[in-house]
Amino acid sequence: QSALTQPRSVSGSPGQAVTISCTGTSSDVGGYNYVSWYQQHPGKAPKLMIYDVSKRPSGVPDRFSGSKSGNTASLTISGLQAEDEADYYCCSYAGSYTYVVFGGGTRLTVL
Amino acid sequence: QVQLQESGPGLVKPSQTLSLTCTVSGGSISSGSYYWSWIRQPAGKGLEWIGRIYTSESTDYNPSLKSRVTISVDTSKNQFSLKLSSVTAADTAVYYCARAPDIVVVPAEDWGQGTLVTVSS
Repeated sequence: QSALTQPRSVSGSPGQAVTISCTGTSSDVGGYNYVSWYQQHPGKAPKLMIYDVSKRPSGVPDRFSGSKSGNTASLTISGLQAEDEADYYCCSYAGSYTYVVFGGGTRLTVL
Repeated sequence: QVQLQESGPGLVKPSQTLSLTCTVSGGSISSGSYYWSWIRQPAGKGLEWIGRIYTSESTDYNPSLKSRVTISVDTSKNQFSLKLSSVTAADTAVYYCARAPDIVVVPAEDWGQGTLVTVSS
C-alpha cells in the first residue's frame, strides 16, 4: 500500500481538463512544499513534470500545473491531448529519515 | 545531455544478493551537485525509492530496505552501484538508476531506461 493516495484512474476528452489528486498527511504532503509529479508511458521511464508543488522543468508544457491544499496535492492537465495518456505518480518529501514517498499512480485515459 | 544505463543479472536466486551497476555518460559522477539514486517498480505497481548517494561517504536509504541495501560509487569508471541482499520474490521489479540535482527535492530528474530483475530459483 502506497503512502500517498491517488485515484486509480481518471479520464477526459481531448481539449478538456482533468485533475489528479494526491492525498497524504501532515508528515509529507501537508508538511512540506516538495511535491513532485511524474508521467510514465508504458514501458518507459518516468518523466518529471512538476516539482516544488507547482514548478515545471524546462520543456514541460504549461498545460501541466500543480497545486496543494492542506494534505492534498493536485495535478491539472488542461487542453488534454492524446499523448497525455499515461500513468501519473505523485511524490512528496517526508522528512530526512524517509526522504520521499510515492503515490500508487493514476492511469489517465484520453477518450 | 547525461545518459544513464543500468546493467546486471536479470535473474537472481532467493536469498542471494542483487547487484546492479549504473554507467553514467555525458557528465562526471564526481562533479558534485547531483544525487545518484536507485528506484524500483514491480510489474503493474507503483514506484519505490531505494536510496541515493551524493559523495562516497554520503548515502541515504529507504528505511524499509536500509538493512539490506548498499549504494556505492566508482568515480574511476563513472559508475554507481546497488547491492540488495537476502532477496525474495517481492524484490522482483524493474530497477531504475537516476540523477537529481542537489538543489531540488525530487528523487529523480534524469532516468535510465530501467532493467528487469526477477528473483526466482
